Amino acid sequence: QKEVEQNSGPLSVPEGAIASLNCTYSDRGSQSFFWYRQYSGKSPELIMSIYSNGDKEDGRFTAQLNKASQYVSLLIRDSQPSDSATYLCAAEFYGNNRLAFGKGNQVVVIP
Amino acid sequence: KAGVTQTPRYLIKTRGQQVTLSCSPISGHRSVSWYQQTPGQGLQFLFEYFSETQRNKGNFPGRFSGRQFSNSRSEMNVSTLELGDSALYLCASSMGQEGGYTFGSGTRLTVV
Repeated sequence: QKEVEQNSGPLSVPEGAIASLNCTYSDRGSQSFFWYRQYSGKSPELIMSIYSNGDKEDGRFTAQLNKASQYVSLLIRDSQPSDSATYLCAAEFYGNNRLAFGKGNQVVVIP
Repeated sequence: KAGVTQTPRYLIKTRGQQVTLSCSPISGHRSVSWYQQTPGQGLQFLFEYFSETQRNKGNFPGRFSGRQFSNSRSEMNVSTLELGDSALYLCASSMGQEGGYTFGSGTRLTVV
């Protein structure tokens, strides 16, 4: 079983709509969770971090964490063409000092 | 404040050669991690250094090695290059607390 899984295929959303991305993880010892955005040919950019159960909002982004279900999600409200990118879910396992990444979800915002 | 700096940005090497990549973390960050990104495998952890000590190592062959200097700058070395080593190599720095990891622009290595 992969440590972090992002199973959804490419996601196309109209401009102004909400994009919803999901991620599951296998290790209950995971303590920190991150969403990175990666534009084609660029390096990952941290957009959200979440450490405790519940929701965390930052501008148009909301991260949700449910440790009992081992589930992390990212909502992008009022999607813009500039949000078109690959979104990577990552988990940091306690004491490991490393990130485990999912394969990523490509988001395409259609004007 | 300056970000994570990786050099060089691009490299083309021949099979069998060796290569050294460099990473300068954000000032004050003592943790430096290295990742390999390929289309097939995604982002995979190579190793992590903190205060010149390797604290964790991923599942890569011994041809991949690294080190960290007293100023927190880090290098990774790949010996006896194989075609499959072609990838984007990313360095990330962290303060070691809750705050995430900041990635550099990466080094695109092509092995021919």
